[in-house]
Amino acid sequence: GNSVTQMEGPVTLSEEAFLTINCTYTATGYPSLFWYVQYPGEGLQLLLKATKADDKGSNKGFEATYRKETTSFHLEKGSVQVSDSAVYFCALSDLTSTGGGADGLTFGKGTHLIIQP
Amino acid sequence: EAQVTQNPRYLITVTGKKLTVTCSQNMNHEYMSWYRQDPGLGLRQIYYSMNVEVTDKGDVPEGYKVSRKEKRNFPLILESPSPNQTSLYFCASWGQGRRTEAFFGQGTRLTVV
Repeated sequence: GNSVTQMEGPVTLSEEAFLTINCTYTATGYPSLFWYVQYPGEGLQLLLKATKADDKGSNKGFEATYRKETTSFHLEKGSVQVSDSAVYFCALSDLTSTGGGADGLTFGKGTHLIIQP
Repeated sequence: EAQVTQNPRYLITVTGKKLTVTCSQNMNHEYMSWYRQDPGLGLRQIYYSMNVEVTDKGDVPEGYKVSRKEKRNFPLILESPSPNQTSLYFCASWGQGRRTEAFFGQGTRLTVV
């Protein structure tokens, strides 16, 4: 079946530090990859996505590149802000999957990011 | 505006008293799903639906029921809530196609005492 593995944290950084949150996946088909963000007291919202190998998704200064050879989709940001404090979920969508819930949508456990001023 | 609406946002109830959490989406999505979020356990899928009248169990379905009588609505029913169902619940919907993103509701914080 499909799975997504990410560091769980909490990850604590100082403002303006460089951020990497690792995400690796296993999938039976050719998935699309997503990063979702959950701000305190809110639901998850899409941060960025990539639908094929070597695609780079980007939004709000965050980037992630779809690496098929290493089955990874690491999230990066060059200079984090206090407002980036949130929980970040890596996810995949795999239409060819017969497992992993509805239409193969699978989430990692989430990484709690804390940015200190 | 595309959105998934859950109600209520907060609910405190007593053990055994039946309750329903509603979920509605305005995007004509085929897929809908319920998750619970607990510290250290991430998001766990409770039930999902692939279209009207088509539902299936997720990873943690015990103690929950769902129905999908209309495409836009996907209520979560707890027939006899217990304290171990105290959690943060999210409803999500998405369309067909591997590129489509999921849209989430704001969440329902349920406490069963």
